[in-house]
Amino acid sequence: EPEVTQTPSHQVTQMGQEVILRCVPISNHLYFYWYRQILGQKVEFLVSFYNNEISEKSEIFDDQFSVERPDGSNFTLKIRSTKLEDSAMYFCASSVFPPGNNSPLHFGNGTRLTVT
Amino acid sequence: AQSVTQLGSHVSVSEGALVLLRCNYSSSVPPYLFWYVQYPNQGLQLLLKYTSAATLVKGINGFEAEFKKSETSFHLTKPSAHMSDAAEYFCAVSSSNTGKLIFGQGTTLQVKP
Repeated sequence: EPEVTQTPSHQVTQMGQEVILRCVPISNHLYFYWYRQILGQKVEFLVSFYNNEISEKSEIFDDQFSVERPDGSNFTLKIRSTKLEDSAMYFCASSVFPPGNNSPLHFGNGTRLTVT
Repeated sequence: AQSVTQLGSHVSVSEGALVLLRCNYSSSVPPYLFWYVQYPNQGLQLLLKYTSAATLVKGINGFEAEFKKSETSFHLTKPSAHMSDAAEYFCAVSSSNTGKLIFGQGTTLQVKP
C-alpha cells in the first residue's frame, strides 16, 4: 500500500536555525497537510495546501513557517528561525480529496524536531 | 467551531475484555468523524470514519464506532481486546468544506494479560 514518507525521522537543531522537514505524499493525492504534536498534547493542524497554494492555516502557522511543493513530489515545511517551543513531532499527511469527501488523510510516521 | 472531547486519557482493560473509548464532538455543521490509532514511534493510522452513511461504522482490526447525533457521540468499541491493541487512539472531526481535522487529546489504551 502506498505510504506517506517523511525525512528525517529525527532532527536536532539549535535555536534560531532554519530547518526544513521533508515529506513525499502518496503520488495521486492532491491535498497536503502538516500537523504537529507537542509532547503530551493534542495533534494540532498547521496548514493545508492544494493546487500549489495554502488553502487554510492555523494561528500557529505564523511568518516563521512556510510550505512548498518544489518539484511535484516533495512537500516541505520550513521553519525560518526555530524556537524552543517548536520542539514537537511534525506529521505530514495527504489525501485525494478533502477528508469530508469520504477521503481520509494518510499520515506519515512523523519527524521529531528537537530545538536546543 | 468544531471540537472533540475524549473522556479518559488512559484506559486499561484485560486481554479479551470489551474496549470502550469515548468521544464526544461539537459541530455546527454535519460532521465527518474519524478514529485514528498511533502505535509507538509510528504515524497516525485510520481505524474508521463516519461520513453520513451508516451510523454504525466498522473499521480495521475489529473496531467499530456508532454515530449518535442525539448524544453528539462517536464512541469506539471492540468486543475483545488483544495485546496488540495497546496504542494511543485519537478521535477527530472535520467539516465537509475544509480539509482540517480537529483532534481530541487522545486516549492511551493499555491491555493487561
